[in-house]
Order: sequence, then C-alpha cells, then structure tokens
Amino acid sequence: SQELEQSPQSLIVQEGKNLTINCTSSKTLYGLYWYKQKYGEGLIFLMMLQKGGEEKSHEKITAKLDEKKQQSSLHITASQPSHAGIYLCGADTSGANNLFFGTGTRLTVIP
Amino acid sequence: DGGITQSPKYLFRKEGQNVTLSCEQNLNHDAMYWYRQDPGQGLRLIYYSQIVNDFQKGDIAEGYSVSREKKESFPLTVTSAQKNPTAFYLCASSSPTSGRAADTQYFGPGTRLTVL
Repeated sequence: SQELEQSPQSLIVQEGKNLTINCTSSKTLYGLYWYKQKYGEGLIFLMMLQKGGEEKSHEKITAKLDEKKQQSSLHITASQPSHAGIYLCGADTSGANNLFFGTGTRLTVIP
Repeated sequence: DGGITQSPKYLFRKEGQNVTLSCEQNLNHDAMYWYRQDPGQGLRLIYYSQIVNDFQKGDIAEGYSVSREKKESFPLTVTSAQKNPTAFYLCASSSPTSGRAADTQYFGPGTRLTVL
C-alpha cells in the first residue's frame, strides 16, 4: 500500500517563481527525508527532518515537518534552472531505518 | 573521496540469465540497501543489510538474492525467476544510530538493467 502521497506529480514554473512540493503520510514519521534526482542518476540527499514543527533551509530550499509529523513541504524560493529534477520524499515510519518513498515530483524550470 | 559506487551503469541481459549488480561503499557504513525504481512508482525496497553476514527481505525480494560478506560490499543478483527485471536499481548505505533515531541513507549513481 502507498504510505506516502507526494504532490504535485509534476510542476512547470518560470525561473524566479516560488514553488512548494508536499509529502503526506498516513502514519507518524520517525524521520522524513528529501532527495533530488536527475533523470537516470542517483539520489542526492537534501534534508532530513525529525521533530514536529522542524524547519530546515539550505540555500533557497526550505523543508518543514508539521507538528503531527505526518506532513512535510519543500519550498523553493526564486527557482532557477539548476533546481530542475525529480524531488522525492522518503519516510521512516517504523524506526527501523527502512524508508518508504513517494512517487516523486518532476520539476521543470523554464528560463 | 568517500562514496558509493555502482557498476556497471548500464547492463543488458537475455531472458533466463542471472546477472549481478555491484555496490561498494567506503563510508564505513554498517547498513546497505537495494532499491528498484520504475517510472511512476518511486523506489521500492528489495533487500537490506544492517550488518555483515546478515540481510533481510524488503517489499519486493522475490527473484532477487544478495550477500553481505564484507562491510563495504552488497552485491545484488537478479535471477531468472524475476519476471520483470528491467528497471533502474539503486544502492544506498547508512550508519544507523542507536534507538529509534532516523538516519540518512546515501545513494549510489544507479544501474539501469534492460532485459532483451
């Protein structure tokens, strides 16, 4: 069964625009991970969130985990073509370090 | 440079043949994982190993086998019993902390397997 819902499935934005990707779990999360993937390549780790209400930022990317630890959002400010790729959320729902992944959001940034 | 390597990047196999995908890490991580990625389905866990000489089945282990004889290496064999093996295979490793703290998995570049 699909434990993680990721939305939207794809996103096309103009360079300079802000955007948000969401990841929702039916279970409380022990950890929520955001990764970025270029087509045909491995996953690049972006951020990990563990505590309810936690927020982390790196350059123009901010990730948040809600207080209930069931929903996370990834926000990109002033998008650039280098932000293009597939964004995946992965979640640890059992505490055993085994991750379930969302189906990904394909981001296209138009110059 | 520390990291995870997977080889080969592209692999072609005839139906009925077994094939082994390599995964090596020099991060000194205890845990290693194999995932399969299909279009529109995200990643699915095949096998994982939390320590040398021990491994566990993931969600889709049928038709696959693994070994963990060394800490650095976790090869995956795709057997002829796997009915739909064409996919992108990703290896990951992590260094689990004690208790229930989540730990970050780091991924290799992947191997694309095509069955002809």
